[in-house]
Amino acid sequence: GAVVSQHPSRVICKSGTSVKIECRSLDFQATTMFWYRQFPKKSLMLMATSNEGSKATYEQGVEKDKFLINHASLTLSTLTVTSAHPEDSSFYICSAPRHAGYTFGSGTRLTVV
Amino acid sequence: KQEVTQIPAALSVPEGENLVLNCSFTDSAIYNLQWFRQDPGKGLTSLLLIQSSQREQTSGRLNASLDKSSGRSTLYIAASQPGDSATYLCAVETSGSRLTFGEGTQLTVNP
Repeated sequence: GAVVSQHPSRVICKSGTSVKIECRSLDFQATTMFWYRQFPKKSLMLMATSNEGSKATYEQGVEKDKFLINHASLTLSTLTVTSAHPEDSSFYICSAPRHAGYTFGSGTRLTVV
Repeated sequence: KQEVTQIPAALSVPEGENLVLNCSFTDSAIYNLQWFRQDPGKGLTSLLLIQSSQREQTSGRLNASLDKSSGRSTLYIAASQPGDSATYLCAVETSGSRLTFGEGTQLTVNP
């Protein structure tokens, strides 16, 4: 139980295009979803917190117009990387609170060429 | 600002050995501490969650301890197996449902 499904697992896109990453809670309702970014051999850095039905809260230094977050339902949160550039290449992971802890998606490897 | 440090950054051991991974945090005002496993290119799998009022948690060959006052946690892995090879991350939760992660310990268990 408590599975968060994240898609796609890998995506390669051209510079200047936009990429959407989806996270779905499969057997529970996630009113809150956290979006992280992870650089190679580094820790997870919280980018933003999405809340169902309201605006996302972004961490300091994260461009909200660059990383668009939508949490339109209790089971779906999306992160759209707009006008992607090579420096946006990274591993993106979503997470939802569950049972006093957190459950994570399987991650999305984004490569911008 | 909460900072989480994990030592060692990498560890290579022969199969069957018992090992200890260390995690320290600077602010003891935490709600809980969680240990995760991450395989290359994959998401995180929760291993153990220790509430701030608890001292340790056990699951199979894994035992995690928490000393909140000193800002330390250890993850003990007994009788290590090649399948245990992965990166192990610890994370502490503070106010605002904020998780702060360490940079992880990359474990390699050699057959």
